[in-house]
Amino acid sequence: DAMVIQNPRYQVTQFGKPVTLSCSQTLNHNVMYWYQQKSSQAPKLLFHYYDKDFNNEADTPDNFQSRRPNTSFCFLDIRSPGLGDAAMYLCATSRDRGMTGELFFGEGSRLTVL
Amino acid sequence: TQLLEQSPQFLSIQEGENLTVYCNSSSVFSSLQWYRQEPGEGPVLLVTVVTGGEVKKLKRLTFQFGDARKDSSLHITAAQPGDTGLYLCAGDGYGQNFVFGPGTRLSVLP
Repeated sequence: DAMVIQNPRYQVTQFGKPVTLSCSQTLNHNVMYWYQQKSSQAPKLLFHYYDKDFNNEADTPDNFQSRRPNTSFCFLDIRSPGLGDAAMYLCATSRDRGMTGELFFGEGSRLTVL
Repeated sequence: TQLLEQSPQFLSIQEGENLTVYCNSSSVFSSLQWYRQEPGEGPVLLVTVVTGGEVKKLKRLTFQFGDARKDSSLHITAAQPGDTGLYLCAGDGYGQNFVFGPGTRLSVLP
């Protein structure tokens, strides 16, 4: 059974039209991450939640926001998508910060911006 | 900023061949992980290496962590089409967030 579930798998939006991507986890992990991955590139961390503590990467555009209403769910909001925001968005969880555990990834949400 | 480099960027080989891919950095990492990502899917963890010089084997895959904890290699013996995918290394810089390399895209042809 999938442990990190992302919805939708595919999202098509128009330039400037807000988008929300969702992620849910059944692992009860403390940390949830959002990564952006463009074609043939490494996943790029946008932000993460350690429990309710939000941590934004310095170079994450203001256009990207996140919410974590409870342990199980986390949302990525893109307020005004541009063509450059077309990418695969990966949600991941880990029991704690640091590499002693592992990152559990969802299957990703592929965003297309027209 | 800690950076990881991976080489080669692309690799296409015939079934049955051996291959090695590399992950290098100028920074020291407390541990390093290898993930495999198939098209349209999220990455899946293959292994974590923690001790400098450590070697781990996972069936036909052999992972090594450099003595100085700045680099790692992944060797695949007798590659199979099912090994096709994007191989990502990720490092933990002593409590900082995971840092991913750009990946090696492997294609194993039958």
